[in-house]
Amino acid sequence: GAGVSQTPSNKVTEKGKYVELRCDPISGHTALYWYRQSLGQGPEFLIYFQGTGAADDSGLPNDRFFAVRPEGSVSTLKIQRTERGDSAVYLCASSLRDRGQAFFGQGTRLTVV
Amino acid sequence: AQKITQTQPGMFVQEKEAVTLDCTYDTSDQSYGLFWYKQPSSGEMIFLIYQGSYDEQNATEGRYSLNFQKARKSANLVISASQLGDSAMYFCAMGRYSSASKIIFGSGTRLSIRP
Repeated sequence: GAGVSQTPSNKVTEKGKYVELRCDPISGHTALYWYRQSLGQGPEFLIYFQGTGAADDSGLPNDRFFAVRPEGSVSTLKIQRTERGDSAVYLCASSLRDRGQAFFGQGTRLTVV
Repeated sequence: AQKITQTQPGMFVQEKEAVTLDCTYDTSDQSYGLFWYKQPSSGEMIFLIYQGSYDEQNATEGRYSLNFQKARKSANLVISASQLGDSAMYFCAMGRYSSASKIIFGSGTRLSIRP
């Protein structure tokens, strides 16, 4: 596709459940990023992939959060045992290897009830 | 550690006026890139402009320009001839120069354009 695609656009889940959020980056972009954004705040870095490997996962808040990118394209952010505090918009972005500027998807709004 | 500071939580500007959004940064790296993004109420993050730490000229993209003052560690966004559609949240961000890397964001400035 032309831009970064994230699915689902909205997800409501019960506390304690497992969720997966998907990101399909711009074709040819080797770098992929996950961010979390709470209302009225700037995006908070979670993890950054270069190809298939996580180049920097320093932003993952705890071991309930995990992300994969097995073939170097689509990525999945996985959250186990969801908590109400995980409610936020999860943003995915991608970029070329030699370009710093990243292009964002529309985000997935996660609500944990 | 790197840090981005945006000290203006909100601004109101009259349509057609120019506006400057402030951004200061802190880093010990010599090689870095600075970005501005716009986030309308629809929620999408729109890339506006990029300035590399080694770039001598200030970046410009249409009505957007970046006032880069390296010694002061500031990277202010200037929007000329503001339009109603410019009303949005604006985020300053920092990453690496000419390569992909972790990008950190400031807390944002909400810009409202008055007709």
